[in-house]
Amino acid sequence: NAGVTQTPKFRVLKTGQSMTLLCAQDMNHEYMYWYRQDPGMGLRLIHYSVGEGTTAKGEVPDGYNVSRLKKQNFLLGLESAAPSQTSVYFCASRRLGDNSPLHFGNGTRLTVT
Amino acid sequence: KQEVTQIPAALSVPEGENLVLNCSFTDSAIYNLQWFRQDPGKGLTSLLLIQSSQREQTSGRLNASLDKSSGRSTLYIAASQPGDSATYLCAVPSTPLVFGKGTRLSVIA
Repeated sequence: NAGVTQTPKFRVLKTGQSMTLLCAQDMNHEYMYWYRQDPGMGLRLIHYSVGEGTTAKGEVPDGYNVSRLKKQNFLLGLESAAPSQTSVYFCASRRLGDNSPLHFGNGTRLTVT
Repeated sequence: KQEVTQIPAALSVPEGENLVLNCSFTDSAIYNLQWFRQDPGKGLTSLLLIQSSQREQTSGRLNASLDKSSGRSTLYIAASQPGDSATYLCAVPSTPLVFGKGTRLSVIA
Protein backbone atom coordinates (compact mmCIF):
# COMPACT_ATOMS: atom_id res chain seq x y z
CA ASN A 1 0.00 0.00 0.00
CA ALA A 2 1.96 3.00 -1.31
CA GLY A 3 -0.33 5.78 0.03
CA VAL A 4 0.87 9.16 -1.27
CA THR A 5 3.93 9.11 -3.52
CA GLN A 6 5.86 12.19 -4.60
CA THR A 7 8.40 12.40 -7.39
CA PRO A 8 11.12 13.51 -7.55
CA LYS A 9 12.53 13.45 -4.01
CA PHE A 10 15.18 16.07 -4.72
CA ARG A 11 15.74 18.61 -7.46
CA VAL A 12 18.05 21.54 -8.13
CA LEU A 13 16.92 24.17 -10.62
CA LYS A 14 18.44 27.33 -11.98
CA THR A 15 16.46 30.54 -11.85
CA GLY A 16 14.02 30.69 -14.74
CA GLN A 17 13.84 26.95 -15.34
CA SER A 18 10.57 25.08 -15.19
CA MET A 19 9.59 21.78 -13.65
CA THR A 20 6.63 19.67 -12.60
CA LEU A 21 6.23 17.86 -9.30
CA LEU A 22 4.06 14.77 -9.39
CA CYS A 23 1.84 13.49 -6.60
CA ALA A 24 0.08 10.15 -6.88
CA GLN A 25 -2.28 8.54 -4.36
CA ASP A 26 -3.71 5.04 -4.48
CA MET A 27 -6.40 5.49 -1.83
CA ASN A 28 -9.13 6.83 -4.15
CA HIS A 29 -9.17 10.10 -2.20
CA GLU A 30 -11.21 13.00 -3.51
CA TYR A 31 -9.22 15.83 -1.94
CA MET A 32 -5.59 16.56 -2.74
CA TYR A 33 -3.30 19.39 -1.58
CA TRP A 34 0.09 20.93 -2.20
CA TYR A 35 1.93 22.53 0.73
CA ARG A 36 5.32 24.10 1.08
CA GLN A 37 7.27 23.97 4.33
CA ASP A 38 9.86 26.59 5.20
CA PRO A 39 11.84 27.14 8.43
CA GLY A 40 10.00 29.52 10.72
CA MET A 41 6.98 29.67 8.39
CA GLY A 42 5.45 26.27 8.96
CA LEU A 43 3.26 24.58 6.38
CA ARG A 44 1.51 26.83 3.89
CA LEU A 45 -1.10 25.73 1.37
CA ILE A 46 -0.27 26.45 -2.27
CA HIS A 47 -3.20 24.91 -4.19
CA TYR A 48 -5.74 22.21 -3.58
CA SER A 49 -8.32 20.13 -5.42
CA VAL A 50 -11.66 18.78 -4.28
CA GLY A 51 -12.05 16.44 -7.21
CA GLU A 52 -10.89 15.45 -10.67
CA GLY A 53 -10.79 18.45 -12.98
CA THR A 54 -11.12 21.05 -10.20
CA THR A 55 -8.45 23.14 -8.51
CA ALA A 56 -8.41 26.12 -6.15
CA LYS A 57 -5.86 28.58 -4.79
CA GLY A 58 -4.51 28.32 -1.31
CA GLU A 59 -2.56 30.75 0.82
CA VAL A 60 0.53 31.14 -1.42
CA PRO A 61 -0.42 30.31 -5.04
CA ASP A 62 1.68 32.87 -6.93
CA GLY A 63 4.31 31.35 -9.22
CA TYR A 64 2.67 27.90 -9.22
CA ASN A 65 0.10 26.14 -11.36
CA VAL A 66 -1.65 22.83 -10.80
CA SER A 67 -3.64 20.28 -12.69
CA ARG A 68 -5.81 17.31 -11.68
CA LEU A 69 -6.63 15.49 -14.89
CA LYS A 70 -6.91 12.13 -13.12
CA LYS A 71 -8.34 11.53 -9.68
CA GLN A 72 -5.18 9.83 -8.42
CA ASN A 73 -2.71 12.47 -9.64
CA PHE A 74 -2.11 16.10 -8.67
CA LEU A 75 0.63 17.98 -10.50
CA LEU A 76 2.39 21.12 -9.29
CA GLY A 77 4.17 23.22 -11.91
CA LEU A 78 6.73 25.95 -11.63
CA GLU A 79 6.88 27.83 -14.93
CA SER A 80 9.84 30.08 -14.09
CA ALA A 81 11.56 29.08 -10.88
CA ALA A 82 12.80 31.72 -8.45
CA PRO A 83 15.13 31.37 -5.44
CA SER A 84 12.14 32.20 -3.19
CA GLN A 85 10.64 28.88 -4.27
CA THR A 86 13.44 26.95 -2.60
CA SER A 87 11.50 24.82 -0.13
CA VAL A 88 10.26 21.38 0.77
CA TYR A 89 7.02 20.58 -1.01
CA PHE A 90 4.47 18.16 0.42
CA CYS A 91 1.48 16.61 -1.21
CA ALA A 92 -1.43 15.36 0.87
CA SER A 93 -4.78 13.72 0.28
CA ARG A 94 -7.92 12.71 2.13
CA ARG A 95 -11.28 11.19 1.39
CA LEU A 96 -14.61 12.98 1.48
CA GLY A 97 -16.03 13.80 4.90
CA ASP A 98 -15.27 16.46 7.48
CA ASN A 99 -13.51 14.04 9.82
CA SER A 100 -11.26 12.15 7.45
CA PRO A 101 -7.55 12.40 8.30
CA LEU A 102 -4.96 13.88 6.00
CA HIS A 103 -2.27 11.61 4.49
CA PHE A 104 1.05 13.10 3.45
CA GLY A 105 3.78 12.11 1.00
CA ASN A 106 7.45 12.23 2.01
CA GLY A 107 8.15 15.51 0.27
CA THR A 108 10.25 16.97 -2.54
CA ARG A 109 13.24 19.08 -1.58
CA LEU A 110 13.67 21.79 -4.22
CA THR A 111 16.59 24.18 -4.44
CA VAL A 112 16.56 27.07 -6.90
CA THR A 113 19.94 28.70 -7.48
CA LYS B 1 -8.60 34.34 10.32
CA GLN B 2 -7.79 31.13 12.18
CA GLU B 3 -4.40 31.08 13.87
CA VAL B 4 -2.81 28.07 15.52
CA THR B 5 -0.03 28.38 18.09
CA GLN B 6 2.12 25.67 19.62
CA ILE B 7 4.20 26.33 22.70
CA PRO B 8 6.96 25.49 23.41
CA ALA B 9 8.73 25.41 20.05
CA ALA B 10 11.18 22.83 21.40
CA LEU B 11 11.24 20.49 24.37
CA SER B 12 13.86 18.10 25.72
CA VAL B 13 12.98 15.46 28.32
CA PRO B 14 14.62 12.37 29.82
CA GLU B 15 13.35 8.96 28.78
CA GLY B 16 10.39 7.69 30.77
CA GLU B 17 8.93 11.10 31.55
CA ASN B 18 5.28 11.87 30.87
CA LEU B 19 4.84 15.07 28.89
CA VAL B 20 2.21 17.41 27.48
CA LEU B 21 2.33 19.34 24.23
CA ASN B 22 0.04 22.32 23.80
CA CYS B 23 -1.94 23.68 20.85
CA SER B 24 -4.14 26.76 20.90
CA PHE B 25 -6.42 28.15 18.20
CA THR B 26 -8.23 31.46 17.84
CA ASP B 27 -11.52 30.43 16.21
CA SER B 28 -13.41 27.86 18.27
CA ALA B 29 -15.86 27.05 15.44
CA ILE B 30 -13.98 23.92 14.43
CA TYR B 31 -15.32 20.44 13.75
CA ASN B 32 -12.11 18.56 14.46
CA LEU B 33 -8.45 18.91 15.35
CA GLN B 34 -5.61 16.71 14.14
CA TRP B 35 -2.25 15.93 15.67
CA PHE B 36 0.62 14.94 13.39
CA ARG B 37 4.15 13.68 13.83
CA GLN B 38 6.98 14.63 11.49
CA ASP B 39 10.35 12.89 11.50
CA PRO B 40 13.36 14.68 9.96
CA GLY B 41 13.29 14.54 6.17
CA LYS B 42 9.87 12.90 6.15
CA GLY B 43 6.27 13.85 5.62
CA LEU B 44 3.64 14.20 8.31
CA THR B 45 1.97 11.18 9.84
CA SER B 46 -1.49 11.56 11.32
CA LEU B 47 -1.52 10.50 14.97
CA LEU B 48 -4.98 11.40 16.23
CA LEU B 49 -8.06 13.20 14.96
CA ILE B 50 -10.49 14.49 17.58
CA GLN B 51 -13.96 15.35 16.43
CA SER B 52 -15.66 18.38 17.97
CA SER B 53 -18.16 16.09 19.71
CA GLN B 54 -15.32 14.27 21.48
CA ARG B 55 -13.30 15.45 24.46
CA GLU B 56 -10.49 12.92 24.17
CA GLN B 57 -8.95 10.46 21.75
CA THR B 58 -6.39 7.79 22.64
CA SER B 59 -3.91 5.73 20.66
CA GLY B 60 -1.45 3.63 22.64
CA ARG B 61 0.66 5.94 24.82
CA LEU B 62 -0.85 9.03 23.21
CA ASN B 63 -3.89 10.88 24.49
CA ALA B 64 -5.24 14.03 22.89
CA SER B 65 -7.85 16.29 24.43
CA LEU B 66 -9.89 19.09 22.95
CA ASP B 67 -11.53 22.04 24.71
CA LYS B 68 -13.23 24.13 22.04
CA SER B 69 -14.53 26.75 24.45
CA SER B 70 -11.03 27.65 25.57
CA GLY B 71 -9.47 27.14 22.14
CA ARG B 72 -7.00 24.55 23.35
CA SER B 73 -5.86 21.02 22.70
CA THR B 74 -3.20 18.97 24.45
CA LEU B 75 -1.27 15.91 23.39
CA TYR B 76 -0.19 13.75 26.32
CA ILE B 77 2.64 11.28 25.78
CA ALA B 78 3.08 8.69 28.50
CA ALA B 79 6.38 7.06 29.40
CA SER B 80 8.31 8.82 26.65
CA GLN B 81 10.90 6.91 24.61
CA PRO B 82 13.79 8.06 22.38
CA GLY B 83 11.73 6.89 19.40
CA ASP B 84 9.18 9.57 20.23
CA SER B 85 11.71 12.24 19.23
CA ALA B 86 10.14 14.17 16.36
CA THR B 87 8.25 17.36 15.62
CA TYR B 88 4.58 17.32 16.61
CA LEU B 89 2.11 19.55 14.79
CA CYS B 90 -1.55 20.27 15.34
CA ALA B 91 -3.97 21.44 12.66
CA VAL B 92 -7.55 22.69 12.51
CA PRO B 93 -9.84 22.85 9.49
CA SER B 94 -10.10 26.28 7.86
CA THR B 95 -10.29 26.05 4.05
CA PRO B 96 -8.95 23.53 4.44
CA LEU B 97 -6.36 23.15 7.23
CA VAL B 98 -4.30 25.59 9.29
CA PHE B 99 -1.19 24.17 10.91
CA GLY B 100 0.74 25.19 13.97
CA LYS B 101 4.51 25.50 13.57
CA GLY B 102 5.08 22.47 15.74
CA THR B 103 6.92 21.46 18.88
CA ARG B 104 10.27 19.72 18.35
CA LEU B 105 10.57 16.99 20.97
CA SER B 106 13.81 15.32 22.00
CA VAL B 107 13.65 12.35 24.36
CA ILE B 108 17.07 11.68 25.86
CA ALA B 109 18.04 8.10 26.74
